Amino acid sequence: QVTLKESGPVLVKPTETLTLTCTVSGFSLRTARMGVSWVRQPPGKALEWLAHVFPTDTESYSTSLRSRLTISKDTSKSQVVLTVTNMEPEDTATYFCVRAEMSTVTFDYWGQGILVTVSS
Amino acid sequence: DIQMTQSPSTLSASVGDRVTITCRASQSINNWLAWYQQKPGKAPKLLIYKVFTLERGVPSRFSGSGFGTEFTLTISGLQPDDFATYYCQHFNNNMFSFGQGTKLDIK
Repeated sequence: QVTLKESGPVLVKPTETLTLTCTVSGFSLRTARMGVSWVRQPPGKALEWLAHVFPTDTESYSTSLRSRLTISKDTSKSQVVLTVTNMEPEDTATYFCVRAEMSTVTFDYWGQGILVTVSS
Repeated sequence: DIQMTQSPSTLSASVGDRVTITCRASQSINNWLAWYQQKPGKAPKLLIYKVFTLERGVPSRFSGSGFGTEFTLTISGLQPDDFATYYCQHFNNNMFSFGQGTKLDIK
C-alpha cells in the first residue's frame, strides 16, 4: 500500500524558513519510474506545483519560486524534504507531498496534506 | 513556461447532464495532459492521463480528448458524486503545471 505523509510545523513566522518532510512507504525512492513532488494549495485557491525530485536525483522547481525552494531526498530514510525560505503570509497553504509516476507523468498518490499558516 | 488556462471557472449543472471543461495551453503541448478531481478538504484524485486514458477505477462517464493547445474533460450523465473541482495538469521540460481549476456545482 502506497502512502505519503507530510510532517513539519503548522505555524511559522514571516521571514522564517519552512522545512517539510515527506515520509513514503509502499514504494522505494530508488524505483526508476517514481518521482516525488510538492504541491501547495492556499485556502480556497488552486493547486500550485512547487518542486520535484526525479528518480535520478535531478531536481526541478517552479519558475516563480525557484529562488526560495530546495528539494532533496534521503533514499535510506524514504524521505523527501522541502525547504521554503523567507515565508510570508501569502505562503499560507496546504502543502501536499505527491508521488509522480514518470511513465505517465501523473500524480498518482497524494499525501493528506499539511496546513501551514504564516503569521506573527 | 507554458500556462494552462481552464474554462469555465465555475459550472452549474444538474444530475444527468453532460458537461465539458476546457483546458487551453499557451502553446502547443505534448500528450502529457492529465485531469484530477478534488473534493473539499481532500487531496486531488487522478481521473485521466495522457489526454484520454482513464485511470483504473474511474467510471466510464469521464472522458478526455484534445491535442495541440486545447483539451477537454467531458462527464456524461452527471452523478451526485461528481460535483467537485477539476484541474488539468501538464508536464513539459521537467516541470509540472496546473490549470486554475473548474468548480462544478449543482444547479
